[in-house]
Amino acid sequence: NAGVTQTPKFQVLKTGQSMTLQCAQDMNHNSMYWYRQDPGMGLRLIYYSASEGTTDKGEVPNGYNVSRLNKREFSLRLESAAPSQTSVYFCASSQIKTSGRANEQFFGPGTRLTVL
Amino acid sequence: EDKVVQSPLSLVVHEGDTVTLNCSYEVTNFRSLLWYKQEKKAPTFLFMLTSSGIEKKSGRLSSILDKKELFSILNITATQTGDSAVYLCAGVNNAGNMLTFGGGTRLMVKP
Repeated sequence: NAGVTQTPKFQVLKTGQSMTLQCAQDMNHNSMYWYRQDPGMGLRLIYYSASEGTTDKGEVPNGYNVSRLNKREFSLRLESAAPSQTSVYFCASSQIKTSGRANEQFFGPGTRLTVL
Repeated sequence: EDKVVQSPLSLVVHEGDTVTLNCSYEVTNFRSLLWYKQEKKAPTFLFMLTSSGIEKKSGRLSSILDKKELFSILNITATQTGDSAVYLCAGVNNAGNMLTFGGGTRLMVKP
């Protein structure tokens, strides 16, 4: 099992360019998440998808859109990149249940994005 | 707004020392608290704590939750250089679908 995979690993964009970050998981999890991590800020939730066909805003959704393509894949799109979006982006997945270790989130390796 | 605060921001110790990392939280409809270790890449799971007073242990690491005072601590005994990392805690809401992360504690263990 690959777990959670993300592409690309690194990306440099110019202000105003668009791009899509891809994420896939092979653990049959129902929920998937996109976070950004800035120095000293911990991880902040951008969007999440509790189940296939649903998406919801997290703490910092502005400037981003997401698509839950199917149960495995959850993409994050920047329509018009800004320097403030320079960050490391992590995708995560989990299986939401009512008890047990179900809330553990498994993280992908991250995408380091620089917007000039 | 949910909030998780970790302290200290950073810590430098020598091998063999014992460290205590702190995490306080204000999470609406709190369900559980998670600890993660982050080295160079993705965070990796350490503990999930749901009930007060029950210490979770894994080797030299242990953690405890106080739901009355709304905090958790992570202890690492006999530290090793391989323990150098950023340690993150996160509060989970009752639906289990939202994690609020603290800013992390950067631990450096010197030989």
